[in-house]
Amino acid sequence: GAVVSQHPSWVICKSGTSVKIECRSLDFQATTMFWYRQFPKQSLMLMATSNEGSKATYEQGVEKDKFLINHASLTLSTLTVTSAHPEDSSFYICSARGQGLSNSPLHFGNGTRLTVT
Amino acid sequence: QQQVKQSPQSLIVQKGGISIINCAYENTAFDYFPWYQQFPGKGPALLIAIRPDVSEKKEGRFTISFNKSAKQFSLHIMDSQPGDSATYFCAASKAGNTPLVFGKGTRLSVIA
Repeated sequence: GAVVSQHPSWVICKSGTSVKIECRSLDFQATTMFWYRQFPKQSLMLMATSNEGSKATYEQGVEKDKFLINHASLTLSTLTVTSAHPEDSSFYICSARGQGLSNSPLHFGNGTRLTVT
Repeated sequence: QQQVKQSPQSLIVQKGGISIINCAYENTAFDYFPWYQQFPGKGPALLIAIRPDVSEKKEGRFTISFNKSAKQFSLHIMDSQPGDSATYFCAASKAGNTPLVFGKGTRLSVIA
């Protein structure tokens, strides 16, 4: 089955620093990947849609200059949290459709737990 | 505006019992309705999904019932086991390579 790999699984950083999270589709190419954020005991909220070779599309209220998304290849999308602050501490999860096909199920990575001290 | 409403927020079921989680949606453009299971510290894993052209889909102990006219769908877990204890999310998406919109989740506890 389709596998989405996310790295790192957890990271602790100091306030003001930047953190990069990688999302890879391991056995298929994905022109589109979706980034979600999940606060403790809450649902998954879509942050942005990552499009290979073009700019990401951000949801309302998500700062594009703070959450930089790069989708430079068909198998890799990165999310960089710039100048992180404690309120950015959350669980970040990426997802992609198997085989990159629009009618395939959406598979999720195992998430990245970000803690900003 | 919550596009997918999920209930209950939490559920306690005896081992061997049936767990039932309900969801309702507003947007008639949605045409794909999956259920995900999430364990603490992990990403959500797809359990089962349905499209509006069928009213029921069963995979093992998991069944989705879908009522298009009422814009509701539900997950039934038969013979619930302690290992089923997790958070369950319903979701919906429109046609094409579009993102999922999630319900708020149901925390299921199956007790022996």
